[in-house]
Amino acid sequence: GQNIDQPTEMTATEGAIVQINCTYQTSGFNGLFWYQQHAGEAPTFLSYNVLDGLEEKGRFSSFLSRSKGYSYLLLKELQMKDSASYLCAVRDRDQAGTALIFGKGTTLSVSS
Amino acid sequence: KAGVTQTPRYLIKTRGQQVTLSCSPISGHRSVSWYQQTPGQGLQFLFEYFSETQRNKGNFPGRFSGRQFSNSRSEMNVSTLELGDSALYLCASSREGGSYEQYFGPGTRLTVT
Repeated sequence: GQNIDQPTEMTATEGAIVQINCTYQTSGFNGLFWYQQHAGEAPTFLSYNVLDGLEEKGRFSSFLSRSKGYSYLLLKELQMKDSASYLCAVRDRDQAGTALIFGKGTTLSVSS
Repeated sequence: KAGVTQTPRYLIKTRGQQVTLSCSPISGHRSVSWYQQTPGQGLQFLFEYFSETQRNKGNFPGRFSGRQFSNSRSEMNVSTLELGDSALYLCASSREGGSYEQYFGPGTRLTVT
């Protein structure tokens, strides 16, 4: 079966750093994605990891450990506009296609 | 390049009715996936279509169905609507291949009364 866990809510202040964790269990693994979703909007792609290690993209970084079934999204220099839901999603190698299995999302609230 | 488009954006139906939602993928994308998003369950995968064939299916009852046309546009249909079908239905398109991300449309907000 497949299971993806991430914290429901997190809070942080402007300028700070926050780490959103995600653990997953899949029968096969073919990549992990992070998406950002602002209230009332569609999810937008943030990052993709398929090999162990850290991928950095501006203020956002994502880390993957396949042996631990673990990933995190690191957001630096937080801004108010980063208040959103962050979705961890896994692509299962044992299933054909490009579909993603999503966690329930972490709602991040950034305050001044 | 135009993004993923979905129509209609909002829909109100009554229990027992059926509904058809439409999705036009990004030009060149042949894979289209459908998701249901609710506050309690988050984003749940419904099904994926590629080259007019259903390639993957989530754990939803048979009342949920879909199809894809030769131009990659896709429709999903929900028959015998229930109150619990009220949700945001998101369509996403992708290039073929495991490393490619999915691009989401704005969704159709379905309310069943």
